[in-house]
Amino acid sequence: AQSVSQHNHHVILSEAASLELGCNYSYGGTVNLFWYVQYPGQHLQLLLKYFSGDPLVKGIKGFEAEFIKSKFSFNLRKPSVQWSDTAEYFCAVNANDYKLSFGAGTTVTVRA
Amino acid sequence: GAGVSQSPSNKVTEKGKDVELRCDPISGHTALYWYRQSLGQGLEFLIYFQGNSAPDKSGLPSDRFSAERTGGSVSTLTIQRTQQEDSAVYLCASSLYGGPKNIQYFGAGTRLSVL
Repeated sequence: AQSVSQHNHHVILSEAASLELGCNYSYGGTVNLFWYVQYPGQHLQLLLKYFSGDPLVKGIKGFEAEFIKSKFSFNLRKPSVQWSDTAEYFCAVNANDYKLSFGAGTTVTVRA
Repeated sequence: GAGVSQSPSNKVTEKGKDVELRCDPISGHTALYWYRQSLGQGLEFLIYFQGNSAPDKSGLPSDRFSAERTGGSVSTLTIQRTQQEDSAVYLCASSLYGGPKNIQYFGAGTRLSVL
């Protein structure tokens, strides 16, 4: 079974700082990759996804992620965060089936 | 409604009682999923429905857990004889179809507390 690791449990940064959240997965076959976000008091929503093609994908709210197959990684980035980016971020993988495997999540706190 | 709806939003129960959690998927979505999020852990897959059938129940942690889906729509997750380790947030998701490239849309979850 695949597993997903998120390197940081809690990240605290100031507005306008750059953000990078690490995600690694353990599965050697074809994978589909996702980042979900959960804002305080809200449900999980999709930030971006990667299925195939250009390994640099762009999502909503200025987020992007890069798939590096050789490193089994799918790191999330944002060049300049805002206070409204305070949320919990989850990396998820499916091994070309329907079942999503999630990382433990990273809580991001942006200080105004 | 436009999104996945779950009820109740919070449930407090006593150890040994049975509980039922409900999920209303997005209208027209054929696939439905249940996940569990325990404190400090990521989401854990429980069960998948395609229509009313559950081809994959592999994530159900014990035989105290069961789920059904009726009319290709509403699903109920039932936990019998609840234990304290069942305390978690139970999330439901739905997708248009059940394939790997179908986006799963999540509800707000039911927070279950077993005392």
